[in-house]
Amino acid sequence: TQLLEQSPQFLSIQEGENLTVYCNSSSVFSSLQWYRQEPGEGPVLLVTVVTGGEVKKLKRLTFQFGDARKDSSLHITAAQPGDTGLYLCAGAAGATNKLIFGTGTLLAVQP
Amino acid sequence: GAVVSQHPSRVICKSGTSVKIECRSLDFQATTMFWYRQFPKQSLMLMATSNEGSKATYEQGVEKDKFLINHASLTLSTLTVTSAHPEDSSFYICSVNQGPGQGSYGYTFGSGTRLTVV
Repeated sequence: TQLLEQSPQFLSIQEGENLTVYCNSSSVFSSLQWYRQEPGEGPVLLVTVVTGGEVKKLKRLTFQFGDARKDSSLHITAAQPGDTGLYLCAGAAGATNKLIFGTGTLLAVQP
Repeated sequence: GAVVSQHPSRVICKSGTSVKIECRSLDFQATTMFWYRQFPKQSLMLMATSNEGSKATYEQGVEKDKFLINHASLTLSTLTVTSAHPEDSSFYICSVNQGPGQGSYGYTFGSGTRLTVV
């Protein structure tokens, strides 16, 4: 069974602070994605990383894929209350590319 | 990406009854769809892969007789929760994968169905 462990599980910070969320697995994934989910809605894709060592930036968000394609990180600079939500990493697995989600990180940014 | 419509968005049912949830791919012919379950403040857990024209593939620990999946056409998959009990109360979400050719690796999610069994 492929598992994706995220840390931390919960994070409450003040507006303007920086944070990093980690996603780790013992398995290799062909691609890894990061999603953000609001309560009562489906997850929304933030980024897909494919190449080991890849770094992608999306405004204040920086995503990194580990060299061995087993882990990833999400760094948010100068967090804002609008960043509040559940952050999920997910890896594609199997012949059908089914998406396996990480354990999730619940972020709360206080104004 | 694909447009995925999920219905209903909320449903309340009595214990012992069955509930059907629909997932439609509006602009993409999906040979596979995925069903997830999510408990409050937790991650999404893959329940099963729905295969058009054949049996669904269930993840370990998911009761196939409890969660009936039908994928009769390339645009519609249904999940029926049979003889629902309060512990089945959860947020159910479907997903369609358009494949790597779509740039973003093409996973689109429905808006989810909040099931409450009373």
